[in-house]
Amino acid sequence: QVQLVESGGGLVKPGGSLRLSCAASGFTFSDFYMSWIRQAPGRGLEWISYISTSADTIYYADSVKGRFTISRDNAKNSLYLQMNSLRAEDTAVYYCARISVSSINFDYWGQGTLVTVYS
Amino acid sequence: QSALTQPASVSGSPGQSITLSCSGTSSDVGGYNYVSWYQQHPGKAPKLVIYDVSNRPSGVSNRFSGSKSDKTASLTISGLQAEDEADYYCSSFTSNNTLVFGGGTKLTVL
Repeated sequence: QVQLVESGGGLVKPGGSLRLSCAASGFTFSDFYMSWIRQAPGRGLEWISYISTSADTIYYADSVKGRFTISRDNAKNSLYLQMNSLRAEDTAVYYCARISVSSINFDYWGQGTLVTVYS
Repeated sequence: QSALTQPASVSGSPGQSITLSCSGTSSDVGGYNYVSWYQQHPGKAPKLVIYDVSNRPSGVSNRFSGSKSDKTASLTISGLQAEDEADYYCSSFTSNNTLVFGGGTKLTVL
């Protein structure tokens, strides 16, 4: 069965950096676009970024452009999110999600990892 | 990219049908059939319930249905059940090749 497991969340000070990982299993990782989505405490979902199968197509939300970098390692079945210059408003649960191969929707989600930016 | 517009809350009684709306622009909802809906129970990850406006993933109850008219998409839940109480989010592909979510609707089953 499809499994997505995020890790790497934690406490960080404003201006700091953090790298999130998402380990994928149960499907051919290299065949799927992947995405990061976040949810601030008590708030709605916010799409962050997505990456194509070969990493040659990448898009970011304006709120993280220039600070966050998405990447993947198909040999390791892993997705990453490098987060730099973190701000208090980046505090959220970060979800890794698979994008459907035949459409543009998030058909499987991980359980999320919490990132807290505090001073 | 501004978030899609959803009502903050909707309520209904068991057995009733309710419809949640999701309004966008010609650059997102109105321009593409890549509208999807997600159900999220407290403390849980979101779950896809409708994709491509009106398609149901395998395993999702046929009580869930979707539609779209111009720049507004809708999710209808018929035969409302207690387990349907959750937050619901719509999402759309956009003309900037990005994705956008709605602010979410909290569904309460009375």
